[in-house]
Amino acid sequence: DTAVSQTPKYLVTQMGNDKSIKCEQNLGHDTMYWYKQDSKKFLKIMFSYNNKELIINETVPNRFSPKSPDKAHLNLHINSLELGDSAVYFCASSQVFRGGYEQYFGPGTRLTVT
Amino acid sequence: AQSVTQPDIHITVSEGASLELRCNYSYGATPYLFWYVQSPGQGLQLLLKYFSGDTLVQGIKGFEAEFKRSQSSFNLRKPSVHWSDAAEYFCAACTTSGTYKYIFGTGTRLKVLA
Repeated sequence: DTAVSQTPKYLVTQMGNDKSIKCEQNLGHDTMYWYKQDSKKFLKIMFSYNNKELIINETVPNRFSPKSPDKAHLNLHINSLELGDSAVYFCASSQVFRGGYEQYFGPGTRLTVT
Repeated sequence: AQSVTQPDIHITVSEGASLELRCNYSYGATPYLFWYVQSPGQGLQLLLKYFSGDTLVQGIKGFEAEFKRSQSSFNLRKPSVHWSDAAEYFCAACTTSGTYKYIFGTGTRLKVLA
């Protein structure tokens, strides 16, 4: 049983296109996250949602828009893709507001913009 | 500003040797602390966590970490490294209130020599 799943695993697209990455967790957690990992493996949080409400919104271009249709899903839509958006994007979840601060990560989506 | 520092970018050890990976944090108050491991092409897996109490915590795969408040450190150790431990290791911290935002260190890449 996959705890946190992401689709697609790989995404290759051209500059200027719009793409989405989907994330689902079946752990019953209340909080979900998107992280970006650059080519040097540096991990930075982008967004966090708790029970479908945005609680963390880091300095991310507004071309990136998260959407949480329910607390088990957090999708990431990216408009007008740029070369610098190439990275691995990780979704994660945790049960923060019941004391479960550890995060569970999905397998990642490798986005390549050409 | 809050930060997590992993001073060693790369570490190489021989199989069977002991291992210590360093992590220092800078927070106003002691954060919750974590170590994660990332194998190539994979997501992050939690090795262990520290919230409070006993300063020596045990994790999975034979890893342990020691919290030292006086040194603002949370170093990861393993008495005998196996070839399968070769991976990227991340130290992380999160605030104990508010948004529980994670900050990751820059990672330490472990290479194991046969």
